[in-house]
Amino acid sequence: DTAVSQTPKYLVTQMGNDKSIKCEQNLGHDTMYWYKQDSKKFLKIMFSYNNKELIINETVPNRFSPKSPDKAHLNLHINSLELGDSAVYFCASSQDDSYNSPLHFGNGTRLTVT
Amino acid sequence: QQQVKQSPQSLIVQKGGISIINCAYENTAFDYFPWYQQFPGKGPALLIAIRPDVSEKKEGRFTISFNKSAKQFSLHIMDSQPGDSATYFCAGSNQAGTALIFGKGTTLSVSS
Repeated sequence: DTAVSQTPKYLVTQMGNDKSIKCEQNLGHDTMYWYKQDSKKFLKIMFSYNNKELIINETVPNRFSPKSPDKAHLNLHINSLELGDSAVYFCASSQDDSYNSPLHFGNGTRLTVT
Repeated sequence: QQQVKQSPQSLIVQKGGISIINCAYENTAFDYFPWYQQFPGKGPALLIAIRPDVSEKKEGRFTISFNKSAKQFSLHIMDSQPGDSATYFCAGSNQAGTALIFGKGTTLSVSS
């Protein structure tokens, strides 16, 4: 009974392709996030949505486009994939967008661009 | 201004020993400092958190020590066990800020 689930777990693709990662949470949380973890394990926020509205959009190339069809889902679409996009992408949720609301992470999607 | 600096990058401790991980922050507006634990192949999970109005918080074998004047905080794992082997991230955030800012992580190995 996974709280935050991401699909796929692994994604191997070639440069220039377009791919999507899906995320769903069953915790009833209002806020969802995408984080990127690089090969050195550094975690960096990419986007955050609160009740389907974008509230955080860090300096991310516009090839990355998040979409939240409802507050339980936050998908990430990536256009024209580049080698540097290879990383583990984590979806997370929190009860609300307050600064001290604990994050609940999914198990990540390992994206490899060849 | 937004950084959280974490050290050491990696740590090897014998079973039963004390593991200590240190973090320093720059943004004096930060007022929430969580620690997250990540096992291989899993997402990070909240371990323990502290607000700057207290100098120490203990939960089981895990203790956060906080020094507001030095802008530093640390995680102490007492009686370290092989099952504690994981990557630990400190983080900071503030009310006016956006998302958590994470340190670069410490990979802890507890040898049996």
